[in-house]
Amino acid sequence: GDSVTQMEGPVTLSEEAFLTINCTYTATGYPSLFWYVQYPGEGLQLLLKATKADDKGSNKGFEATYRKETTSFHLEKGSVQVSDSAVYFCALTPIGGGSYIPTFGRGTSLIVHP
Amino acid sequence: EAQVTQNPRYLITVTGKKLTVTCSQNMNHEYMSWYRQDPGLGLRQIYYSMNVEVTDKGDVPEGYKVSRKEKRNFPLILESPSPNQTSLYFCASSSGTEVSPLHFGNGTRLTVT
Repeated sequence: GDSVTQMEGPVTLSEEAFLTINCTYTATGYPSLFWYVQYPGEGLQLLLKATKADDKGSNKGFEATYRKETTSFHLEKGSVQVSDSAVYFCALTPIGGGSYIPTFGRGTSLIVHP
Repeated sequence: EAQVTQNPRYLITVTGKKLTVTCSQNMNHEYMSWYRQDPGLGLRQIYYSMNVEVTDKGDVPEGYKVSRKEKRNFPLILESPSPNQTSLYFCASSSGTEVSPLHFGNGTRLTVT
């Protein structure tokens, strides 16, 4: 079945550092790919998405590129802020077959220190 | 404002006392789902619904029930809660296509003693 693997956390960075959170997936065909963010005490919210190969999703300074060759969708940000401290989830939704039930990674906690 | 509303936000109950967590969305979404979030285990899907009167089991359905009598509502029912159901629960909805993101509620933290 489909699966999403994320790097384990927590990831601890200083403010203004560069962030990468790795995400790789296994799926039939070319799924849609998503990053969600969960701030403390809140539900998950969509951060960015890409629906086909080579697409780049971006939002709030975060970026991720859909790489079909490496089945990856790594999340990056050039300069993190304390307010970026949250849990980040990578997810996929399969294409075709009539099933659009998403599969989530286990989440990666990011802690940014001033 | 487009949103998914869960109630209550916090709930403490005792083993065996039936409870219902409500979920409502105002986006006319076809797809709705319940998840539980536990430390180290990520999100696990409990039940989902593709449309009114259509529900199906997710990965961890034991001990839970759901119903989808109206498009906007998708309550989660625990007929006889047990301590291992202590968790953070999220309801989510989407328009039900492969490219549609999920919209999540703010969560219900349930403690069963």
